Amino acid sequence: ETGVTQTPRHLVMGMTNKKSLKCEQHLGHNAMYWYKQSAKKPLELMFVYSLEERVENNSVPSRFSPECPNSSHLFLHLHTLQPEDSALYLCASSPRVAKETQYFGPGTRLLVL
Amino acid sequence: SQELEQSPQSLIVQEGKNLTINCTSSKTLYGLYWYKQKYGEGLIFLMMLQKGGEEKSHEKITAKLDEKKQQSSLHITASQPSHAGIYLCGADNQAGTALIFGKGTTLSVSS
Repeated sequence: ETGVTQTPRHLVMGMTNKKSLKCEQHLGHNAMYWYKQSAKKPLELMFVYSLEERVENNSVPSRFSPECPNSSHLFLHLHTLQPEDSALYLCASSPRVAKETQYFGPGTRLLVL
Repeated sequence: SQELEQSPQSLIVQEGKNLTINCTSSKTLYGLYWYKQKYGEGLIFLMMLQKGGEEKSHEKITAKLDEKKQQSSLHITASQPSHAGIYLCGADNQAGTALIFGKGTTLSVSS
């Protein structure tokens, strides 16, 4: 148990669906992250939030839309995804955005049909 | 952009044997993190190394940072089935805003 939870753990969606991934951290951290992990590839950073403000958007397609309502919660809204978006989506948090250890949630396994 | 290369990509060792995993960076390392992941699950933080020559241990796992070689090694002594999983190294990106990762080393321990 790392103090970071993600729901759902598994998600199957069609290309026309809209769904959301949720992440919650119970560590009192101020920074939260979304990463994508695909087979045979390194983890790819998607978004970075510091105190609810987005500080980095790593050239992610607009069909992925993040939301950070407060420093404990992070969402990733999904719409009109492609099959190649199937992956493990990992949320992480750290005390600050500045060379700090990140703690990861268990991930959401997403399958786009 | 910075890249981390891990070697080997995978290895199978017999229970009780020692093993080493390497992580080499294409650029200067400012902070090096080791994580363990079970397939399809999240990453568990193992250790962080910041200074050249730094060495840390946790139970039977030891990690070292060679700043000059831009490399870190993870050594497991007397491996056990519980050590099986994917080991990932991560490093602070140039902006210091997030981590970049290697592709991982998959370890299997046969009993």
